[in-house]
Amino acid sequence: QVQLVESGGGLVNPGESLRLSCAASGFILGDHYMSWIRQAPGKGLEWISYIGSGGRITYYAASVKGRFTISRDNAKNSLYLQMNSLRVEDTAVYYCARETLGGGYDLLDYWGQGTLVTVSS
Amino acid sequence: SSELTQDPAVSVALGHTVRITCQGDSLRNHYVNWYQLKPGQVPLLVMYGKNSRPSGIPARFSGSSSGNTASLTITGAQAEDEADYYCNFRDRFGHHWVFGGGTKLTVL
Repeated sequence: QVQLVESGGGLVNPGESLRLSCAASGFILGDHYMSWIRQAPGKGLEWISYIGSGGRITYYAASVKGRFTISRDNAKNSLYLQMNSLRVEDTAVYYCARETLGGGYDLLDYWGQGTLVTVSS
Repeated sequence: SSELTQDPAVSVALGHTVRITCQGDSLRNHYVNWYQLKPGQVPLLVMYGKNSRPSGIPARFSGSSSGNTASLTITGAQAEDEADYYCNFRDRFGHHWVFGGGTKLTVL
């Protein structure tokens, strides 16, 4: 079955970097766009980035543009999020999600369980 | 504007019907997806498009849309439906996904 497993979260100081990974199984990663979404403590969901199936197309939310980089390795069934210059406000649970076109509609049909990133001094 | 607005909290008596709404100007041209979030669990897609349920989602969940408002209706709410619900759509022109602020559903 489709499974997404995030890893790489942890506690870092402001200004430091962290790289998140998302291991995909149960489907062909290269057939799908993928997204990263986060949820800060007590807050709602915030989309932060997506990447095209081949890796050449990438888009970012304004809140992370220039600091975060999304990438993928389809041969390794893996999605990544390189986070630089981290800020306290980047503290959140980070989810990876699979994008699908279902019945003509854009969906985020499968999500991982999330990995917690805490930015604090 | 591509913003989506949801009521922060809604409650329903066990077995009764509840409607969770999502409003935004973009909804005149887009259908939304609905996600269920429970603490410690993987977010779950419960409704998408005009009124489509993913496999495994109970039939008590239904969706509708009119004008600038989309709705997720739970007919005969169960205790296990207590969760946060988010609407969203993909803005292809703006190249981003938009989420509503979420609605916390309490089943009494």
